[in-house]
Amino acid sequence: QSVLTQPPSVSGAPGQRVSISCTGSISAIGGSLDVYWYQQVPGTAPRLLIDANNNRPAGVPDRFSGSRSGPSASLAITGLQPEDEAHYYCHSFISSMGGVFFGGGTKLTVL
Amino acid sequence: EVQLVQSGNEVAEAGESLKISCRGSGFTFTFPPNYWIAWVRQMPGKGLEWMGSIYLGDSDSRYSPSFQGQVTFSADTSITTAYLQWSSLKSSDTATYYCARSVHIRSPFDVWGQGTMVTVSS
Repeated sequence: QSVLTQPPSVSGAPGQRVSISCTGSISAIGGSLDVYWYQQVPGTAPRLLIDANNNRPAGVPDRFSGSRSGPSASLAITGLQPEDEAHYYCHSFISSMGGVFFGGGTKLTVL
Repeated sequence: EVQLVQSGNEVAEAGESLKISCRGSGFTFTFPPNYWIAWVRQMPGKGLEWMGSIYLGDSDSRYSPSFQGQVTFSADTSITTAYLQWSSLKSSDTATYYCARSVHIRSPFDVWGQGTMVTVSS
């Protein structure tokens, strides 16, 4: 069982809203740890979408937002666009488990 | 422009040694904040795996338990370059390897290298 669990895939039509969850197998995420989100378009390196305190780095559209609720975190994408089709990964540092962990990744398909 | 530029793709045979590099530009490698450089593996068609991180201030390295003893991190701050090294490659090391920068080991990876694809034949 992964430390951080994401759904394997989600899909939505252009203009719709989708949400991708990231659930900790332990209570780590529900504590004081931060969860970050990355986008990886096939054939390219990942890029940071959401950093600490759910801030977006420069250049990331405000259509992307992060949130947390208990042991889970979520990435929401509103106004879906074709270029949003990519894999999305969550990331957290869990010291009790030995370091950095990524979720298994979620493939977003824009219908 | 702040960027990490990785060395080119590699093809090697099982049992060989290999060292790939990650050169930083547009930011100071060691002037505070002293950055961490992480190495991340992505096997073909699979997700991201953290291998570990090296602190550029004193080259303190933290390895994921899954990679401890399998690889070695190093850095030469005089040429703003970090390295990932294998002493004896296995076919299971075939993957794309990314370096990525963070302010702290707990922090997000805000700058990524373009990736180095390593292909190991048995």
